[in-house]
Amino acid sequence: DAGITQSPRHKVTETGTPVTLRCHQTENHRYMYWYRQDPGHGLRLIHYSYGVKDTDKGEVSDGYSVSRSKTEDFLLTLESATSSQTSVYFCATTPGGPNTGELFFGEGSRLTVL
Amino acid sequence: QKEVEQNSGPLSVPEGAIASLNCTYSDRGSQSFFWYRQYSGKSPELIMSIYSNGDKEDGRFTAQLNKASQYVSLLIRDSQPSDSATYLCAVTPSGAGSYQLTFGKGTKLSVIP
Repeated sequence: DAGITQSPRHKVTETGTPVTLRCHQTENHRYMYWYRQDPGHGLRLIHYSYGVKDTDKGEVSDGYSVSRSKTEDFLLTLESATSSQTSVYFCATTPGGPNTGELFFGEGSRLTVL
Repeated sequence: QKEVEQNSGPLSVPEGAIASLNCTYSDRGSQSFFWYRQYSGKSPELIMSIYSNGDKEDGRFTAQLNKASQYVSLLIRDSQPSDSATYLCAVTPSGAGSYQLTFGKGTKLSVIP
């Protein structure tokens, strides 16, 4: 299994506070992704990265920013958390090339915004 | 909007039966197709990938792809209670950004002992 760890695994925060979720991988994979998963919506892509300092928006990027200063770390920041951002967040990676759809997922981070 | 559609279920099958999970997609140019399994409270894990029309078998799992009908399916033979999970269909869209996956909402499978 790919070594992908997310932190924190659980977080409860107040509306309006900033939150940062961290994804760390030990596989030297080029591509990294942040998804959110909500009942009735499935997995939706927030942001992704195709290299150090190379990031782009996904389907539901409003209210989120990302940074990737090293191959192994991909940070997701909620600048001012809202209740609609209560969700389970998954980080995923893939080495790229012809098998870019073969994702390896982290354990998930459950965020509750009160 | 490129979409991936799945019946949400739940799909209930008796132990030992064949479970058939279906998925349709809207992007005719899609090239790569995947099935992920997600146990309750866990993260998704890849179980099958298929890139060309026809069948691909891996143990008890068979993925079937029909690009003309924009249809991909997953058959699970000799279903076991441990197969009870949500199965996510995922598609790599055509064109720029083809490294992005679009997921269906998943079909919940329950295998009854």
